[in-house]
Amino acid sequence: NAGVTQTPKFQVLKTGQSMTLQCAQDMNHEYMSWYRQDPGMGLRLIHYSVGAGITDQGEVPNGYNVSRSTTEDFPLRLLSAAPSQTSVYFCASSSLGGNQPQHFGDGTRLSIL
Amino acid sequence: DAKTTQPNSMESNEEEPVHLPCNHSTISGTDYIHWYRQLPSQGPEYVIHGLTSNVNNRMASLAIAEDRKSSTLILHRATLRDAAVYYCILRDNNYGQNFVFGPGTRLSVLP
Repeated sequence: NAGVTQTPKFQVLKTGQSMTLQCAQDMNHEYMSWYRQDPGMGLRLIHYSVGAGITDQGEVPNGYNVSRSTTEDFPLRLLSAAPSQTSVYFCASSSLGGNQPQHFGDGTRLSIL
Repeated sequence: DAKTTQPNSMESNEEEPVHLPCNHSTISGTDYIHWYRQLPSQGPEYVIHGLTSNVNNRMASLAIAEDRKSSTLILHRATLRDAAVYYCILRDNNYGQNFVFGPGTRLSVLP
């Protein structure tokens, strides 16, 4: 059972570089989202999607782009990396409906130098 | 902002029950109460959720106050593997069905 798969697990970037964090789920979930987690804090929502072709901003969207061309994939793009984006990034998916459990990936640990 | 309030940390002895409290005084009538936990270096993991009645599953029990302004996650026999950060979560109505995560309660289990 793959669930939610995030790649890469670790990444080091230089300031100004761009990259894409990958997220894929095999549960046919309509709902997908990206969070970031900074040390000692809870998760904060970056972007989310309720289905293919539909995305929306979360609490902290600046500096990030997303797209949802398929149900399975929801990549997160850093346009021009900044040290403030050093964090652990989690992708989650769920069926639609406010009481549905969310399934999380194991995270991507990103350091920006 | 998180809609829930939890103690920063708690300690328990192995094989003893653990009661993790949560206050959610601004809960709406349709909000489910969700509990997740995060083991070190992993993503959050679903534990349990409920609306009004007490709920049980293989991992834990959830006791919900009659006025729904507080709830308690109960681990019946703590093990070392239960050491984690536990999050009590309500849905964020500003962002679809996503969750607002506070800092949670860090549970330490002593052998």
